[in-house]
Amino acid sequence: ETGVTQSPTHLIKTRGQQVTLRCSSQSGHNTVSWYQQALGQGPQFIFQYYREEENGRGNFPPRFSGLQFPNYSSELNVNALELDDSALYLCASSPETSIRGSSYGYTFGSGTRLTVV
Amino acid sequence: GNSVTQMEGPVTLSEEAFLTINCTYTATGYPSLFWYVQYPGEGLQLLLKATKADDKGSNKGFEATYRKETTSFHLEKGSVQVSDSAVYFCALIDTSGTYKYIFGTGTRLKVLA
Repeated sequence: ETGVTQSPTHLIKTRGQQVTLRCSSQSGHNTVSWYQQALGQGPQFIFQYYREEENGRGNFPPRFSGLQFPNYSSELNVNALELDDSALYLCASSPETSIRGSSYGYTFGSGTRLTVV
Repeated sequence: GNSVTQMEGPVTLSEEAFLTINCTYTATGYPSLFWYVQYPGEGLQLLLKATKADDKGSNKGFEATYRKETTSFHLEKGSVQVSDSAVYFCALIDTSGTYKYIFGTGTRLKVLA
């Protein structure tokens, strides 16, 4: 099993709704991070999970939440969607969160493009 | 805080031209540095990386050297191809806590045949 798989690839939601985005990481990848990439911008860190616990969060409100499961899959949930939440959401995984892991780099999925109307 | 600054694009070159995309960073400690590439409609692909000062990362003809004295990690390629057209992101991994990426804003490269 290789690569990081995200689903769905595209999604359209209405303002105020809730959305769940899914990510399936490579076996053995204990660390998963989620990023938001607005059009024309670099990805912004949302949060990171290590062995099913959140261990870091960027500057995003609590309506952005996540889960990581023992089978190396994870979810990003966004409540009360706003128009500014329209973006490409990227999942990235790595086998470690140590210094050694930081030199590995992360493997990114192809992303879910969310449009809020 | 930590940050990454990239030259603004778009950069338009003819095939076989020399490419340089500038990247400078601000960081505490000694972060690992990366270049990622994003093709239209796709996620990010790791292009190359360097983990300590004076390291040179290279892949597919692209190179970048980790310069601690100038806090830079410029991307270069001697002869670009049309297939290199994409958006290039410079990034560092923040090792001060959560091992998160800090990305630059990206530089769009367009190579003309």
